[in-house]
Amino acid sequence: GGIITQTPKFLIGQEGQKLTLKCQQNFNHDTMYWYRQDSGKGLRLIYYSITENDLQKGDLSEGYDASREKKSSFSLTVTSAQKNEMAVFLCASSIRFYEQYFGPGTRLTVL
Amino acid sequence: GQQVQQSPASLVLQEGENAELQCNFSTSLNSMQWFYQRPEGSLVSLFYNPSGTKQSGRLTSTTVIKERRSSLHISSSQITDSGTYLCAMAPDSGYNKLTFGKGTVLLVSP
Repeated sequence: GGIITQTPKFLIGQEGQKLTLKCQQNFNHDTMYWYRQDSGKGLRLIYYSITENDLQKGDLSEGYDASREKKSSFSLTVTSAQKNEMAVFLCASSIRFYEQYFGPGTRLTVL
Repeated sequence: GQQVQQSPASLVLQEGENAELQCNFSTSLNSMQWFYQRPEGSLVSLFYNPSGTKQSGRLTSTTVIKERRSSLHISSSQITDSGTYLCAMAPDSGYNKLTFGKGTVLLVSP
């Protein structure tokens, strides 16, 4: 088995601040994903990466940057946090297009 | 883009009753998964089931590709089954870009 870890667990930021979320997996999966979940809405894909140094935009990529410097890690940056923003960011990984496994999430609050 | 409709939005059962959760897709699919979302937000994969029927304990998932639907059956529900169930699908092209439904909130009472 394997595990996905996300740091930090809770992230509190200020309006306009650049914030970085990190994700690590030890499944040795090639594909990694970042999703955002807002209250009352389904999860939406922000970015995904099919291999090291690859980046693909999802449906919600505006306002975010991502980085896949190693196969095991995938980072997401909120380029300018929006006031009163609250969301959960979930990282996932998979072997190609098969079953996705998710991390525990990072909860963002912007003051 | 593809849409995923889950029903019912919420469901209340008494312990021991069965539950049937539905997921309908607007496009043909390449893969689909059922997840359980814990109260703290983490997702547990219940089934990866792009077609056919799979069973795990009291849970059964059935996906009918031609009808663009999938169901999750919970038999003999228990209080610990309470929570949010999500289905997600990826279309039949490209990588596994899952589109999620909004979920079914299940409450099992004693």
